[in-house]
Amino acid sequence: QSVLTQPPSASGTPGQRVNISCSGSSSNIGFNIVSWYQKFPGTAPKLLIYADNHRPSGVPDRFSGSKSGTSASLVISGLQSEDEAEYYCAAWDDSLNGDLFFGGGTKLTVL
Amino acid sequence: QVQLVQSGAEVKKPGASVKVSCKASGYTFSTYYINWVRQAPGQGLEWMGIINPDGGSTSYAQRLQGRVTMTSDTSTNTVYMELSSLRSEDSAVYYCAREDHDSGSGLDVWGKGTTVTVSS
Repeated sequence: QSVLTQPPSASGTPGQRVNISCSGSSSNIGFNIVSWYQKFPGTAPKLLIYADNHRPSGVPDRFSGSKSGTSASLVISGLQSEDEAEYYCAAWDDSLNGDLFFGGGTKLTVL
Repeated sequence: QVQLVQSGAEVKKPGASVKVSCKASGYTFSTYYINWVRQAPGQGLEWMGIINPDGGSTSYAQRLQGRVTMTSDTSTNTVYMELSSLRSEDSAVYYCAREDHDSGSGLDVWGKGTTVTVSS
Protein backbone atom coordinates (compact mmCIF):
# COMPACT_ATOMS: atom_id res chain seq x y z
CA GLN A 1 0.00 0.00 0.00
CA SER A 2 1.72 3.19 -1.20
CA VAL A 3 1.64 6.35 0.86
CA LEU A 4 0.72 8.13 -2.38
CA THR A 5 -2.00 6.42 -4.39
CA GLN A 6 -2.14 6.52 -8.16
CA PRO A 7 -4.36 4.57 -10.55
CA PRO A 8 -2.29 1.72 -12.00
CA SER A 9 -3.31 2.52 -15.54
CA ALA A 10 -4.76 5.23 -17.76
CA SER A 11 -5.39 5.49 -21.46
CA GLY A 12 -6.43 7.88 -24.18
CA THR A 13 -6.38 8.42 -27.91
CA PRO A 14 -4.12 10.90 -29.70
CA GLY A 15 -5.27 14.46 -29.14
CA GLN A 16 -7.25 13.64 -26.01
CA ARG A 17 -6.78 15.06 -22.54
CA VAL A 18 -5.72 12.64 -19.82
CA ASN A 19 -5.73 13.23 -16.08
CA ILE A 20 -3.60 11.17 -13.69
CA SER A 21 -4.42 11.53 -10.02
CA CYS A 22 -2.23 11.19 -6.95
CA SER A 23 -3.89 10.93 -3.56
CA GLY A 24 -2.06 11.44 -0.29
CA SER A 25 -2.61 12.90 3.15
CA SER A 26 -2.11 16.02 5.21
CA SER A 27 1.47 15.05 6.08
CA ASN A 28 2.63 14.75 2.47
CA ILE A 29 0.66 16.32 -0.38
CA GLY A 30 -1.39 18.42 2.01
CA PHE A 31 1.72 20.03 3.45
CA ASN A 32 4.51 19.64 0.89
CA ILE A 33 5.04 20.27 -2.79
CA VAL A 34 4.48 17.60 -5.40
CA SER A 35 6.63 16.63 -8.35
CA TRP A 36 5.87 14.37 -11.31
CA TYR A 37 8.20 12.12 -13.27
CA GLN A 38 7.94 10.36 -16.63
CA LYS A 39 9.65 7.04 -17.06
CA PHE A 40 10.23 4.87 -20.09
CA PRO A 41 11.41 1.27 -19.73
CA GLY A 42 15.17 1.03 -19.48
CA THR A 43 15.74 4.75 -19.02
CA ALA A 44 16.04 7.07 -16.05
CA PRO A 45 13.02 9.02 -14.84
CA LYS A 46 12.57 12.53 -16.19
CA LEU A 47 11.25 15.47 -14.17
CA LEU A 48 8.01 16.76 -15.68
CA ILE A 49 6.53 18.97 -12.98
CA TYR A 50 7.98 20.41 -9.77
CA ALA A 51 6.55 22.48 -6.94
CA ASP A 52 3.01 21.32 -7.78
CA ASN A 53 2.61 23.09 -11.12
CA HIS A 54 5.95 24.28 -12.52
CA ARG A 55 7.47 22.89 -15.67
CA PRO A 56 11.24 22.62 -16.12
CA SER A 57 12.53 24.19 -19.31
CA GLY A 58 12.14 21.84 -22.23
CA VAL A 59 8.99 20.13 -20.97
CA PRO A 60 6.12 20.78 -23.40
CA ASP A 61 3.27 22.90 -22.09
CA ARG A 62 0.95 19.97 -22.85
CA PHE A 63 1.98 18.76 -19.41
CA SER A 64 0.50 20.56 -16.43
CA GLY A 65 0.17 19.90 -12.72
CA SER A 66 -2.23 20.98 -10.04
CA LYS A 67 -2.94 20.32 -6.39
CA SER A 68 -5.95 20.64 -4.14
CA GLY A 69 -5.91 19.62 -0.50
CA THR A 70 -4.35 16.18 -0.24
CA SER A 71 -4.58 15.31 -3.92
CA ALA A 72 -2.56 16.25 -6.97
CA SER A 73 -3.11 15.78 -10.67
CA LEU A 74 -1.03 15.57 -13.81
CA VAL A 75 -2.87 16.57 -16.96
CA ILE A 76 -1.60 15.77 -20.42
CA SER A 77 -3.38 17.72 -23.13
CA GLY A 78 -3.20 16.87 -26.80
CA LEU A 79 -2.02 13.35 -26.07
CA GLN A 80 0.70 12.03 -28.38
CA SER A 81 1.90 8.50 -28.99
CA GLU A 82 5.29 9.31 -27.49
CA ASP A 83 3.57 10.08 -24.17
CA GLU A 84 3.06 6.37 -23.61
CA ALA A 85 5.11 5.82 -20.45
CA GLU A 86 4.88 5.34 -16.70
CA TYR A 87 4.14 8.42 -14.60
CA TYR A 88 5.02 8.88 -10.94
CA CYS A 89 4.08 11.53 -8.42
CA ALA A 90 6.33 12.26 -5.44
CA ALA A 91 6.13 14.22 -2.22
CA TRP A 92 8.02 14.48 1.06
CA ASP A 93 6.18 13.21 4.11
CA ASP A 94 6.68 15.00 7.39
CA SER A 95 5.23 12.25 9.56
CA LEU A 96 7.10 9.24 8.20
CA ASN A 97 10.72 9.98 9.04
CA GLY A 98 10.64 12.86 6.59
CA ASP A 99 11.06 10.41 3.72
CA LEU A 100 10.35 11.16 0.06
CA PHE A 101 7.58 8.96 -1.27
CA PHE A 102 6.70 8.07 -4.82
CA GLY A 103 3.27 7.00 -5.91
CA GLY A 104 2.92 3.48 -7.24
CA GLY A 105 3.05 4.72 -10.82
CA THR A 106 0.47 4.98 -13.60
CA LYS A 107 1.04 3.24 -16.91
CA LEU A 108 -0.34 5.46 -19.66
CA THR A 109 -1.35 3.74 -22.87
CA VAL A 110 -2.01 5.76 -26.03
CA LEU A 111 -4.60 3.82 -27.98
CA GLN B 1 26.69 19.78 -19.73
CA VAL B 2 25.22 18.80 -16.40
CA GLN B 3 25.47 15.07 -15.86
CA LEU B 4 25.66 12.34 -13.27
CA VAL B 5 27.74 9.34 -14.29
CA GLN B 6 27.20 6.14 -12.35
CA SER B 7 29.42 3.13 -11.93
CA GLY B 8 28.81 -0.12 -13.76
CA ALA B 9 26.59 -3.09 -13.08
CA GLU B 10 27.29 -5.30 -10.08
CA VAL B 11 26.52 -8.91 -9.22
CA LYS B 12 26.63 -9.76 -5.54
CA LYS B 13 25.85 -12.73 -3.34
CA PRO B 14 23.27 -12.55 -0.56
CA GLY B 15 24.76 -11.05 2.58
CA ALA B 16 27.40 -9.07 0.72
CA SER B 17 27.62 -5.30 0.30
CA VAL B 18 27.59 -3.15 -2.82
CA LYS B 19 28.94 0.37 -3.31
CA VAL B 20 27.68 2.43 -6.24
CA SER B 21 29.26 5.72 -7.27
CA CYS B 22 27.75 8.80 -8.88
CA LYS B 23 30.13 11.38 -10.34
CA ALA B 24 28.78 14.85 -10.96
CA SER B 25 29.97 17.31 -13.58
CA GLY B 26 28.83 20.50 -15.26
CA TYR B 27 27.64 22.27 -12.11
CA THR B 28 28.81 23.31 -8.65
CA PHE B 29 28.80 20.01 -6.79
CA SER B 30 28.19 21.41 -3.33
CA THR B 31 25.04 23.33 -4.24
CA TYR B 32 22.78 20.36 -4.98
CA TYR B 33 21.77 17.44 -2.80
CA ILE B 34 21.96 13.94 -4.25
CA ASN B 35 19.10 11.48 -3.83
CA TRP B 36 19.26 7.75 -4.43
CA VAL B 37 16.22 6.02 -5.91
CA ARG B 38 15.87 2.39 -6.94
CA GLN B 39 13.48 0.38 -9.05
CA ALA B 40 13.18 -3.37 -8.66
CA PRO B 41 12.00 -5.40 -11.67
CA GLY B 42 8.30 -4.84 -12.24
CA GLN B 43 8.07 -2.44 -9.31
CA GLY B 44 7.78 1.30 -8.85
CA LEU B 45 10.31 3.87 -7.77
CA GLU B 46 11.59 3.71 -4.19
CA TRP B 47 13.46 6.54 -2.49
CA MET B 48 16.49 5.38 -0.53
CA GLY B 49 17.92 8.54 0.95
CA ILE B 50 19.58 11.87 0.38
CA ILE B 51 22.99 13.41 1.02
CA ASN B 52 24.14 16.98 1.12
CA PRO B 53 27.59 16.85 -0.49
CA ASP B 54 28.46 20.06 1.32
CA GLY B 55 29.15 18.68 4.77
CA GLY B 56 27.92 15.15 4.15
CA SER B 57 24.70 15.24 6.16
CA THR B 58 22.35 12.41 5.27
CA SER B 59 18.80 11.20 5.70
CA TYR B 60 17.89 7.61 4.92
CA ALA B 61 14.59 5.93 4.16
CA GLN B 62 13.22 4.43 7.32
CA ARG B 63 13.00 0.91 5.92
CA LEU B 64 16.66 0.95 4.87
CA GLN B 65 18.18 2.53 7.95
CA GLY B 66 21.00 0.44 9.28
CA ARG B 67 21.79 -1.02 5.86
CA VAL B 68 22.43 2.03 3.69
CA THR B 69 25.29 4.52 3.90
CA MET B 70 25.79 7.54 1.66
CA THR B 71 29.03 9.47 1.49
CA SER B 72 30.50 12.23 -0.64
CA ASP B 73 33.97 13.15 -1.84
CA THR B 74 34.16 16.80 -2.77
CA SER B 75 37.67 16.38 -4.21
CA THR B 76 36.25 14.20 -7.00
CA ASN B 77 32.64 15.45 -7.07
CA THR B 78 31.48 11.93 -6.36
CA VAL B 79 28.76 10.54 -4.14
CA TYR B 80 28.68 6.92 -3.01
CA MET B 81 25.81 4.70 -1.87
CA GLU B 82 26.65 1.51 -0.02
CA LEU B 83 24.00 -1.09 0.75
CA SER B 84 24.90 -3.95 3.06
CA SER B 85 23.41 -7.34 3.99
CA LEU B 86 22.09 -7.70 0.48
CA ARG B 87 19.11 -9.91 -0.21
CA SER B 88 17.41 -10.93 -3.42
CA GLU B 89 14.82 -8.16 -2.97
CA ASP B 90 17.63 -5.61 -3.35
CA SER B 91 18.10 -6.59 -7.00
CA ALA B 92 17.18 -3.38 -8.79
CA VAL B 93 18.34 -0.50 -10.90
CA TYR B 94 19.81 2.18 -8.65
CA TYR B 95 19.67 5.83 -9.70
CA CYS B 96 21.26 8.94 -8.30
CA ALA B 97 19.49 12.23 -8.90
CA ARG B 98 20.36 15.78 -7.92
CA GLU B 99 17.99 18.16 -6.21
CA ASP B 100 18.05 21.81 -5.20
CA HIS B 101 16.55 20.78 -1.90
CA ASP B 102 15.79 24.23 -0.56
CA SER B 103 14.05 25.51 -3.68
CA GLY B 104 11.80 22.49 -4.17
CA SER B 105 12.75 22.17 -7.81
CA GLY B 106 12.47 18.39 -7.88
CA LEU B 107 14.96 15.72 -8.88
CA ASP B 108 15.98 17.41 -12.10
CA VAL B 109 19.05 15.50 -13.32
CA TRP B 110 19.37 11.73 -13.08
CA GLY B 111 22.16 9.26 -13.66
CA LYS B 112 21.53 6.48 -16.18
CA GLY B 113 21.24 3.88 -13.45
CA THR B 114 23.31 1.00 -12.11
CA THR B 115 21.93 -2.53 -12.17
CA VAL B 116 22.61 -4.51 -9.03
CA THR B 117 21.84 -8.21 -9.11
CA VAL B 118 21.81 -10.21 -5.90
CA SER B 119 22.03 -13.90 -6.56
CA SER B 120 23.63 -16.94 -5.03
